Amino acid sequence: NAGVTQTPKFQVLKTGQSMTLQCAQDMNHEYMSWYRQDPGMGLRLIHYSVGAGITDQGEVPNGYNVSRSTTEDFPLRLLSAAPSQTSVYFCASKTGTGELFFGEGSRLTVL
Amino acid sequence: GQSLEQPSEVTAVEGAIVQINCTYQTSGFYGLSWYQQHDGGAPTFLSYNGLDGLEETGRFSSFLSRSDSYGYLLLQELQMKDSASYFCASNQAGTALIFGKGTTLSVSS
Repeated sequence: NAGVTQTPKFQVLKTGQSMTLQCAQDMNHEYMSWYRQDPGMGLRLIHYSVGAGITDQGEVPNGYNVSRSTTEDFPLRLLSAAPSQTSVYFCASKTGTGELFFGEGSRLTVL
Repeated sequence: GQSLEQPSEVTAVEGAIVQINCTYQTSGFYGLSWYQQHDGGAPTFLSYNGLDGLEETGRFSSFLSRSDSYGYLLLQELQMKDSASYFCASNQAGTALIFGKGTTLSVSS
């Protein structure tokens, strides 16, 4: 099994551009989530979903949109990128016993 | 608000024992998890405490006291490969996980 797959791994954007970070999991997990990681800030929850058609905001949702049309996919959209969104983004899905499986991360730089 | 506090850095030598503490203030608390992250990598799950007490997995143990809003990760027989960041995370109402800022463990020979 591939687990959690994130694309792209690296991306450079200009301020104001939009993009979508893709996340797919093949473990049939209902729960999926997006985190951003910045130096000294740990992992901060952006959005999460407990199943197809259901999404909710986390700690730092502003500037990001998500949707969950299928169990497998949970894309994260930046509508108008800002330098403050330069970060490493991790997608994760969760087992029924609460264990998170993370993707390898997407490193985003906004100029 | 919700917060988890853990030390930012811990240093130790090979073969030693180290304890990383985590105190939390969260609503809807279900349990405490621990994750390890090596530089440039993704976090990986280490342990979960849903009940008070000690959970042991090989060289790693984790402890939870709900009455004290406190937990810790205990790493024994430290090895160089244990140098990494360690995060405690609060499982919220069975859904979202909120993470602490992480503890960087440096193991020297």
